[in-house]
Amino acid sequence: GAVVSQHPSRVICKSGTSVKIECRSLDFQATTMFWYRQFPKKSLMLMATSNEGSKATYEQGVEKDKFLINHASLTLSTLTVTSAHPEDSSFYICSATRGSATNTEAFFGQGTRLTVV
Amino acid sequence: GESVGLHLPTLSVQEGDNSIINCAYSNSASDYFIWYKQESGKGPQFIIDIRSNMDKRQGQRVTVLLNKTVKHLSLQIAATQPGDSAVYFCAEKLSYTGNQFYFGTGTSLTVIP
Repeated sequence: GAVVSQHPSRVICKSGTSVKIECRSLDFQATTMFWYRQFPKKSLMLMATSNEGSKATYEQGVEKDKFLINHASLTLSTLTVTSAHPEDSSFYICSATRGSATNTEAFFGQGTRLTVV
Repeated sequence: GESVGLHLPTLSVQEGDNSIINCAYSNSASDYFIWYKQESGKGPQFIIDIRSNMDKRQGQRVTVLLNKTVKHLSLQIAATQPGDSAVYFCAEKLSYTGNQFYFGTGTSLTVIP
């Protein structure tokens, strides 16, 4: 099956620094990828839709200047958490979909645990 | 054992029993649903999917039932095993918003050996 790879799996950073998380589709091209955030014992919350070659679409309440998304190629999307603060600590998960409007498959990365100290 | 989704986020069952995990969705425009399993510290893992033109779909040891009238989805796991212990999420895709999936609250399943 299709694989989506996320890197790094864990990162610890100091408050005020920026962190970049990569999401790659390994065996298919993804014009659209998605970034989710998950707090402990909570569900996945869709943050934004990453569109190859154009601006990302953010969900209501998500700061686009805080969470920068770049989708420079059909196999790579990056999420940069800028000027990170402890409240940004969370589990970030990306996904990529493959298929048509009538036959969509969604594949998820293994997630990135971000801890801001 | 059976959960009622938002009202009972945890479910404990004996090994070998059948499990039923429930999910209520809110948007009648949802046309595609997926059940995911998530183990601690990992990303969601696909279990089974169903389209809105179906009301039942079976996989290996799992069955998904869809009731569009009451906007309810359930996942049945037969002969539950310790390896089934995880958090289970239903996710819905709206017909008019592209390929974004929106996740339900989740149910934590614990299988007692």
